[in-house]
Amino acid sequence: DAEITQSPRHKITETGRQVTLACHQTWNHNNMFWYRQDLGHGLRLIHYSYGVQDTNKGEVSDGYSVSRSNTEDLPLTLESAASSQTSVYFCASSDHRALTGELFFGEGSRLTVL
Amino acid sequence: QKEVEQDPGPLSVPEGAIVSLNCTYSNSAFQYFMWYRQYSRKGPELLMYTYSSGNKEDGRFTAQVDKSSKYISLFIRDSQPSDSATYLCAMRRGSNDYKLSFGAGTTVTVRA
Repeated sequence: DAEITQSPRHKITETGRQVTLACHQTWNHNNMFWYRQDLGHGLRLIHYSYGVQDTNKGEVSDGYSVSRSNTEDLPLTLESAASSQTSVYFCASSDHRALTGELFFGEGSRLTVL
Repeated sequence: QKEVEQDPGPLSVPEGAIVSLNCTYSNSAFQYFMWYRQYSRKGPELLMYTYSSGNKEDGRFTAQVDKSSKYISLFIRDSQPSDSATYLCAMRRGSNDYKLSFGAGTTVTVRA
């Protein structure tokens, strides 16, 4: 079955370190997204991509970067981790041809920055 | 002010009760409205989808959209303990804008 997977599922890092969260989907979806989820804020969009070599900033993009070199992957990089980036990160993908535009989410990556 | 407002609750109801959830939004460009359900330590999953104003029913779930008031609702009839989850409203603009704006989510517990 097609799916979307995130790794690692849990990570603890130190302030100032670079961290990369991986996201891989096998649906061949054009659209991919990274959200973070924090209590009281719901899901906030970090970056998104509508195709290979296309990347766009979301509402909370400072301190994060993404690259899209193929259809299947959209890794999220924290250049210099900060305690404010402690959160649960969700990757999602969608089919641009689907009427609903439904987003399919991964299981999440829980990041703790000490 | 957030683009999408949702009371985070929490909400606790007895089994069999009707659960009423709602969101308000400020951007009149939103055309597509959704409700996602998220179980603990899982990713959200689409529960209901509505385009523009109107009602949609699916089993025990009813979604309503009132674009004139910028207000959307989700009703769960005959609630079950398995309905205990966080419910997030989500919405997006036009057909070529695929990113979703989410509410904060409401955590619902259905007591057996």
